[in-house]
Amino acid sequence: NAGVTQTPKFQVLKTGQSMTLQCAQDMNHEYMSWYRQDPGMGLRLIHYSVGAGITDQGEVPNGYNVSRSTTEDFPLRLLSAAPSQTSVYFCASGKIYEQFFGPGTRLTVL
Amino acid sequence: AQKITQTQPGMFVQEKEAVTLDCTYDTSDPSYGLFWYKQPSSGEMIFLIYQGSYDQQNATEGRYSLNFQKARKSANLVISASQLGDSAMYFCAMREGPQGTSYGKLTFGQGTILTVHP
Repeated sequence: NAGVTQTPKFQVLKTGQSMTLQCAQDMNHEYMSWYRQDPGMGLRLIHYSVGAGITDQGEVPNGYNVSRSTTEDFPLRLLSAAPSQTSVYFCASGKIYEQFFGPGTRLTVL
Repeated sequence: AQKITQTQPGMFVQEKEAVTLDCTYDTSDPSYGLFWYKQPSSGEMIFLIYQGSYDQQNATEGRYSLNFQKARKSANLVISASQLGDSAMYFCAMREGPQGTSYGKLTFGQGTILTVHP
């Protein structure tokens, strides 16, 4: 039981490049979400999903796309990376009483 | 308005002492949940404890307990018998949405850095 996994752990992009951050969970959770954490701040919700085929925007969705074709996977796509997207990205999955987080992806946009 | 407020940027405690980390929240939804997470310097987010808005008793998990005062809208984390390994950033978070479903989005506070001195 791997829990929530994220790849890659680190990534450096140039402005304008696109990429996909991967997230997978093996706990059969319906609810999955993406957060970003900027220095000295708490996590802010980017997008979330309450089940396969259902996604919605969080607090800071601009510049990001998501899709949820399976229960297990919830990738986050950066369409055209900007320096303001330099951050640590966390994927989470859970249920009503718990939200489990992945180890995070540290993204730098130059 | 801030939905989750953690007013203590940093706290210090002596090893083996108890410490309280403050959290106040703001919601008009009668159904909500409150979470506490620990983030050590390694960066991962570790779930500590959960309190539902309809729970009659304060939540406890080992050395962690949540002092839930609904009328004051506060959900303070109490760590008993502090250990050096408790040194970390601590986040309070809230889920607004009906219990019994898995729907909900977490809103986080700014965090409190706890330092445990030997």
